[in-house]
Amino acid sequence: EPEVTQTPSHQVTQMGQEVILRCVPISNHLYFYWYRQILGQKVEFLVSFYNNEISEKSEIFDDQFSVERPDGSNFTLKIRSTKLEDSAMYFCASTLQGEYNEQFFGPGTRLTVL
Amino acid sequence: GQQVMQIPQYQHVQEGEDFTTYCNSSTTLSNIQWYKQRPGGHPVFLIQLVKSGEVKKQKRLTFQFGEAKKNSSLHITATQTTDVGTYFCAGQGGDSNYQLIWGAGTKLIIKP
Repeated sequence: EPEVTQTPSHQVTQMGQEVILRCVPISNHLYFYWYRQILGQKVEFLVSFYNNEISEKSEIFDDQFSVERPDGSNFTLKIRSTKLEDSAMYFCASTLQGEYNEQFFGPGTRLTVL
Repeated sequence: GQQVMQIPQYQHVQEGEDFTTYCNSSTTLSNIQWYKQRPGGHPVFLIQLVKSGEVKKQKRLTFQFGEAKKNSSLHITATQTTDVGTYFCAGQGGDSNYQLIWGAGTKLIIKP
């Protein structure tokens, strides 16, 4: 069964450093998403991506964040200068279509900012 | 902005008791989806409700979508240890385009 994969599973970084979180969505899916979940809290939408551009983003997704689809398979989230409060689980998800479609989540990357 | 409120935050039940979680949206939704997240895991899609007043069942789980397409509930009959996890509702439509607006989740805890 096709699945969304994410690497690394755990990333530890120093405050102020840049990190890149990687995702490989399901191959025929067209819409891609990044979510954040601080431990024990709700799933927070960051950004959605379609047709090689951002289609929606939340207030959390400020200038420190960027997304890219550098090739036909990878979908990356870059945090330029990490802050302590960026420590969270980051989930990538993908869907075949934008609406009325279940979202398939990857296993997540746990980001720890020291 | 658009919000989805979900209650309760936690529910402690004895195994075999029922469990219910409720979601209420500030705006009319095109659809609502339910996800389950096991401890340490990622959200996994359970079901999608689209029609006004829709009721769907999956074995012991019953999902409802309100007539106004603003509220929804998930009811689990006779809970089992495998039901443990956090149940999230997520609504689509209204103010946003395809963005899913997530409830805060209800954590189901089975008392030993």
